[in-house]
Amino acid sequence: GQQLNQSPQSMFIQEGEDVSMNCTSSSIFNTWLWYKQDPGEGPVLLIALYKAGELTSNGRLTAQFGITRKDSFLNISASIPSDVGIYFCAGQLGGGATNKLIFGTGTLLAVQP
Amino acid sequence: NAGVTQTPKFRVLKTGQSMTLLCAQDMNHEYMYWYRQDPGMGLRLIHYSVGEGTTAKGEVPDGYNVSRLKKQNFLLGLESAAPSQTSVYFCASRAGASTGELFFGEGSRLTVL
Repeated sequence: GQQLNQSPQSMFIQEGEDVSMNCTSSSIFNTWLWYKQDPGEGPVLLIALYKAGELTSNGRLTAQFGITRKDSFLNISASIPSDVGIYFCAGQLGGGATNKLIFGTGTLLAVQP
Repeated sequence: NAGVTQTPKFRVLKTGQSMTLLCAQDMNHEYMYWYRQDPGMGLRLIHYSVGEGTTAKGEVPDGYNVSRLKKQNFLLGLESAAPSQTSVYFCASRAGASTGELFFGEGSRLTVL
């Protein structure tokens, strides 16, 4: 089945630093999504990308849909303590009635004040 | 707003026992999903439903059954729990196939001894 390789697995940074993480796939996706999971909570959607090459921002977050449609990147600028959590990428294959999402393995982000 | 509600939040079972997790959503969403989250493995799809009265297998369906008798509810059952089913279970819903945004519940932590 399809797999999403997400890296890095974890990051430990100082407050104020910028963060970059990425997701790659062996399959082409029509949609890329980035979710954040706070401790003890369910994932919440951060950014959705629908077109190859698309660059979308949400506050300090910026995500890009790779030109090959097999990868996506998420950047967080000027990190703050509340950025702590697990970040998941998800790809949607499209087509058919279900359009199931395939999730990456997650990037654990720790921010030291 | 309630969104997606899961019950129970925590449960400890002995091997061989059965139980049902309940997911309820108040957003009139057609699509509902059950995922399990395990360390280093991200979110894996167990079963899903594209509408009332319909269910389908996901990536890891073995050992689980589901039912969608009412549009707002999606039940996940374990007939004979095994230690390998120790996990955090998340229910999610979305309006339709064309939108990638899943709304997640807060999760149900299940331990099978």
